[in-house]
Amino acid sequence: GIQVEQSPPDLILQEGANSTLRCNFSDSVNNLQWFHQNPWGQLINLFYIPSGTKQNGRLSATTVATERYSLLYISSSQTTDSGVYFCAVAGTGGFKTIFGAGTRLFVKA
Amino acid sequence: DTAVSQTPKYLVTQMGNDKSIKCEQNLGHDTMYWYKQDSKKFLKIMFSYNNKELIINETVPNRFSPKSPDKAHLNLHINSLELGDSAVYFCASSQGGQAGGQYFGPGTRLTVT
Repeated sequence: GIQVEQSPPDLILQEGANSTLRCNFSDSVNNLQWFHQNPWGQLINLFYIPSGTKQNGRLSATTVATERYSLLYISSSQTTDSGVYFCAVAGTGGFKTIFGAGTRLFVKA
Repeated sequence: DTAVSQTPKYLVTQMGNDKSIKCEQNLGHDTMYWYKQDSKKFLKIMFSYNNKELIINETVPNRFSPKSPDKAHLNLHINSLELGDSAVYFCASSQGGQAGGQYFGPGTRLTVT
């Protein structure tokens, strides 16, 4: 099956700093999503981005499907950005979703 | 209105008992999922239903039985609960497998003692 690797596993930032999270996947995918799990456990869909670039406020994401990676950019980080960021992919059919192990982000005030 | 809701939010029970978790979505999606998140936060898909038809069953013990009475509901019944079943169970929905993203419920924290 498809393997998903996220890096770094842990990240500590000072408020206001920028960061880049990476997701590598081992095979062609038809579906790629980025999620944020906040400290209360809620999983929030940030981007559906099987290819190309999208932006939403301080967050943006880029997926280069031919090179099998995706990047999530967080600019001007805030303490509310803390939590775990997951990359999730699905291959043909798009129903079997494989999650990476996540990047745990802590933003200090 | 909550898009994807689950009940109960917390469930504490003893080994050997049978329990159910309910999930409902009001997004009009045709696909629903169950995921298990373990103590290390690792998320793994368990089941997926598309138009009430089971399409993904990921080597889950047959003590777990999903049931989809209609496209808006997906319930999970667990028989003979074991300590290892303790986890957070998430329900999610999407439109098909490749259109848009998945939207998750708040999760049900199951503790088996």
